[in-house]
Amino acid sequence: GAGVSQSPSNKVTEKGKDVELRCDPISGHTALYWYRQSLGQGLEFLIYFQGNSAPDKSGLPSDRFSAERTGGSVSTLTIQRTQQEDSAVYLCATTLAASYNEQFFGPGTRLTVL
Amino acid sequence: AQSVAQPEDQVNVAEGNPLTVKCTYSVSGNPYLFWYVQYPNRGLQFLLKYITGDNLVKGSYGFEAEFNKSQTSFHLKKPSALVSDSALYFCAVSHSNYQLIWGAGTKLIIKP
Repeated sequence: GAGVSQSPSNKVTEKGKDVELRCDPISGHTALYWYRQSLGQGLEFLIYFQGNSAPDKSGLPSDRFSAERTGGSVSTLTIQRTQQEDSAVYLCATTLAASYNEQFFGPGTRLTVL
Repeated sequence: AQSVAQPEDQVNVAEGNPLTVKCTYSVSGNPYLFWYVQYPNRGLQFLLKYITGDNLVKGSYGFEAEFNKSQTSFHLKKPSALVSDSALYFCAVSHSNYQLIWGAGTKLIIKP
């Protein structure tokens, strides 16, 4: 596609439920990031995928969070047993690998945990 | 610890006046520096970056930024602000060969 897409755009869920967020990257972009953006905060790094390498999961806040990237393309971020503090906008970004390349962001998924 | 600071939560500028959004950083080595903009209800967009070379970097929408190594700053500037420039601006600096450290963001409000 022309850009990074994310779905759903909005997700309201009840505390304790599991949610799955999806990211479709720009074709050919081998690197994919998940971030969390809370109100008034900067971007919090969650996880990084690069090609077939093992992902950098160092930013995942707890073991309730997991992510996978199938076939080096689509990625899903799963949050199990959601808590109210998980409420935030979850952003996906992709780029050609290398730290000096700009990241292209999706529109985000706004997650609200009631 | 490596960090990025955007000391102003909000900057207010009258349309037509010059604007500056401040960013300072603390990282080891030679950093790569970025500015991104987030318009209301839209995703983050890349504005400009400094990798090496000329300290004055020009980017999208008439924005520019000056890298100052001695002051460890990378302030975003525009000579004449537009109301449409109102948005949330993020400074970021490379942390590793793939990670960025992000500032908390500065809300820019341009008043007609």
